Formats: sequence, C-alpha cells, structure tokens
Amino acid sequence: DAGITQSPRHKVTETGTPVTLRCHQTENHRYMYWYRQDPGHGLRLIHYSYGVKDTDKGEVSDGYSVSRSKTEDFLLTLESATSSQTSVYFCAISESKASGANVLTFGAGSRLTVL
Amino acid sequence: QKEVEQNSGPLSVPEGAIASLNCTYSDRVSQSFFWYRQYSGKSPELIMSIYSNGDKEDGRFTAQLNKASQYVSLLIRDSQPSDSATYLCAVMGEGFKTIFGAGTRLFVKA
Repeated sequence: DAGITQSPRHKVTETGTPVTLRCHQTENHRYMYWYRQDPGHGLRLIHYSYGVKDTDKGEVSDGYSVSRSKTEDFLLTLESATSSQTSVYFCAISESKASGANVLTFGAGSRLTVL
Repeated sequence: QKEVEQNSGPLSVPEGAIASLNCTYSDRVSQSFFWYRQYSGKSPELIMSIYSNGDKEDGRFTAQLNKASQYVSLLIRDSQPSDSATYLCAVMGEGFKTIFGAGTRLFVKA
C-alpha cells in the first residue's frame, strides 16, 4: 500500500473561488503527480513533482498551480475555479519496482464540482 | 503533442472469450508501457507493464509491444464478467511523465 491520501474527497464550490486539493503520501516517494479525469479524455496530466520545490507542467496546466514544500505533501490549487474545472482529480506517486520499472499508484480521487 | 490513442469502445465479448485491446503512441522515445484497469468510480490500478518488444504474460493477461509500429496491445484470455472495466493504456516518456489514452470500456457478458 503506497499510503496515498487525498483531501477533500468531494467538494462543491462556486465559480471564481479558490480551491486547494491535498495529496499526502507516507512512504517518501520522490515523484508525485496530479491528473484530472473527464469522460472521453481519460487521465490528463496537470502537474508533477520530482522533489521538494521541484515541479513541472503537464498536458493541461493552465488555471492550476502546485506546491511541494515537504516530500509527503503535494498541493494542487485552482486560483479561481471555473466550470470547466469540474472533474475528478487523481493524485499519484511513482514507485520503483523490482523489475526496474516506475509504475504509478493512485489515490482514491477528489471529485470537484464548480457551479 | 505526444499522444496515446485507444479505441473508446465499448468492446463487448462473451464470457470465456479472448478480449483484445489496442493502443498506439506517437512518441518514439518512449520506453515504458503500461495497462491500467479502472472499475467505475474507482482509481486506476496497474495490471501489466512491458518494456521490450514481444509478449509478456501474467496469468490470463498478455501484453504485446511493437516499438517499430508504436503499438501496444493487451489480450485477456478466458474473459470473466469481473474483467468488465475501463482499460487505460499509458506510456512513460522523458522525465517520468506518464501519458494516458482515453481508455477502452470492456463488457464481458455472462
């Protein structure tokens, strides 16, 4: 068990309000990711982190910012939420397996609705 | 834009049949390839990974990779109703960035 906790699990907010989603891991993994999942689009990478204070953009980073001040926490912030950001957000960590592969393990997801 | 393409389905097969899921990718430098399964309302979970050309078998699952054709497939033998889910093809490229396809919905009819 990779020990990934996402919070909140469900949130309803209004357009224009700021929202922060938190991903917490307990096993000191270096790489952490934020994805969003929408019908017909699969999982799309928003931002990822390869260490404390080291982050980079993914496929759909516009309107999102991230921060990682501690190894265990990766925060995703919507500065001013829009209805197009209604989605299910998944946090993931990358684990190195015995085969040498780096595979993703996902949190339970956070469902965000922007009215 | 690096892409991973999958047929969205749904793919419907009878119980006991072989389900064949396909995926193509655009980034030739990709080195790691994965299949994740996602049940409705749940998180994706890894079922197969493959890194070199050829076949890799794990129980009822076989992953096939052809880097020259930029093609990855997943075969599920003796399909069971419990295999009904969305299957996501994923490709890891530079910087440990993993890009997913849109997923193929599989229905296994009892």
